[in-house]
Amino acid sequence: EPEVTQTPSHQVTQMGQEVILRCVPISNHLYFYWYRQILGQKVEFLVSFYNNEISEKSEIFDDQFSVERPDGSNFTLKIRSTKLEDSAMYFCASSEFRDYEQYFGPGTRLTVT
Amino acid sequence: DQQVKQNSPSLSVQEGRISILNCDYTNSMFDYFLWYKKYPAEGPTFLISISSIKDKNEDGRFTVFLNKSAKHLSLHIVPSQPGDSAVYFCAASGAGRSGAGSYQLTFGKGTKLSVIP
Repeated sequence: EPEVTQTPSHQVTQMGQEVILRCVPISNHLYFYWYRQILGQKVEFLVSFYNNEISEKSEIFDDQFSVERPDGSNFTLKIRSTKLEDSAMYFCASSEFRDYEQYFGPGTRLTVT
Repeated sequence: DQQVKQNSPSLSVQEGRISILNCDYTNSMFDYFLWYKKYPAEGPTFLISISSIKDKNEDGRFTVFLNKSAKHLSLHIVPSQPGDSAVYFCAASGAGRSGAGSYQLTFGKGTKLSVIP
């Protein structure tokens, strides 16, 4: 069964460093998303991406964040200068169409020290 | 701002009995609702969804009921199995600041289901 994959599973970085989280969405899906879950809190939407551009973003997704689909398979989330409060599980998701169910990857645990 | 609320943080059910997980929402723009199951250290796994034009959707042991007037949905699992023990998230989409519709998912805090053998 097709699945969303994410790498790395765990990333430790120092405050102020740049990190890139990688995702491979399900191959025939057209819509891509990033969510995050801070420990003990809800899963929160960050950004959605379609046709090589951002279609929607939340207030969390400020100028420190960017997304890219550098090739036909990968979808990346970059945090330019990490802060302690960026520590969270980051989930990538994809869906075939806009109003279809979203399938999530296993997540990347980002720890900022 | 809790647009999606799951008021029960945990639920324990005997194996073989029915599990009922509840979810309330406040945003009347939501028109698509989903349930996800999550094990520790894994991503949310899609279980079942329902559109606002329906009041019930069934898939095997899982049934979701939607009461739009009450802004309430529930997930029924019958019969419950020990492997169902996980955190269950209710999610919703459809609200849109842009007016064009939003497909971001808004999640509840989750209910931890424990199925006792």
